[in-house]
Amino acid sequence: RKEVEQDPGPFNVPEGATVAFNCTYSNSASQSFFWYRQDCRKEPKLLMSVYSSGNEDGRFTAQLNRASQYISLLIRDSKLSDSATYLCAVTTSGYALNFGKGTSLLVTP
Amino acid sequence: GAVVSQHPSWVICKSGTSVKIECRSLDFQATTMFWYRQFPKQSLMLMATSNEGSKATYEQGVEKDKFLINHASLTLSTLTVTSAHPEDSSFYICSAPPGGGYNEQFFGPGTRLTVL
Repeated sequence: RKEVEQDPGPFNVPEGATVAFNCTYSNSASQSFFWYRQDCRKEPKLLMSVYSSGNEDGRFTAQLNRASQYISLLIRDSKLSDSATYLCAVTTSGYALNFGKGTSLLVTP
Repeated sequence: GAVVSQHPSWVICKSGTSVKIECRSLDFQATTMFWYRQFPKQSLMLMATSNEGSKATYEQGVEKDKFLINHASLTLSTLTVTSAHPEDSSFYICSAPPGGGYNEQFFGPGTRLTVL
């Protein structure tokens, strides 16, 4: 069983829609949690770190549920430019990241 | 923000040749760097942890004699794919944490390797 699992999608949503991604992790010792965005053939870019208290950055909200070992990302008012693959990542010890396979989002006009 | 560069950005080579990929931290020192590999439509998979001044730590299933890592200075790590074969064709990305209590790490732009 993979350590970090995501629904690969694709999620096709119209502009302005709200879309939610979930991610589960299997190692209860995981310490840090992140959402990355990856555009085609590019390196991943950090979207946001995820904290137990939840955190929001503009249209993006991330939540962490340690008891259930899942992480979520909510995107409100989707823009065309949000089309990308969203990667969930966790660290267990040190800085090495364990990535999910990614969820593909396509926002259409 | 911190910047990590990689060179080359893409390379095409014949089967059996060796390819060296460089990863540099441009405005910070990195005692540790990470090498990841991503096959099409797959996740980034950690290959190895590169440690300045000591041997790299390889993930299970990654051949250390095939993927040679050298971290000779605090700003440079190199990954050499020896005797590359078509199945080594992939997107190789390095990353480095700037440290100092900073939780984030910074990724290089990646190197796309195609072995014919």
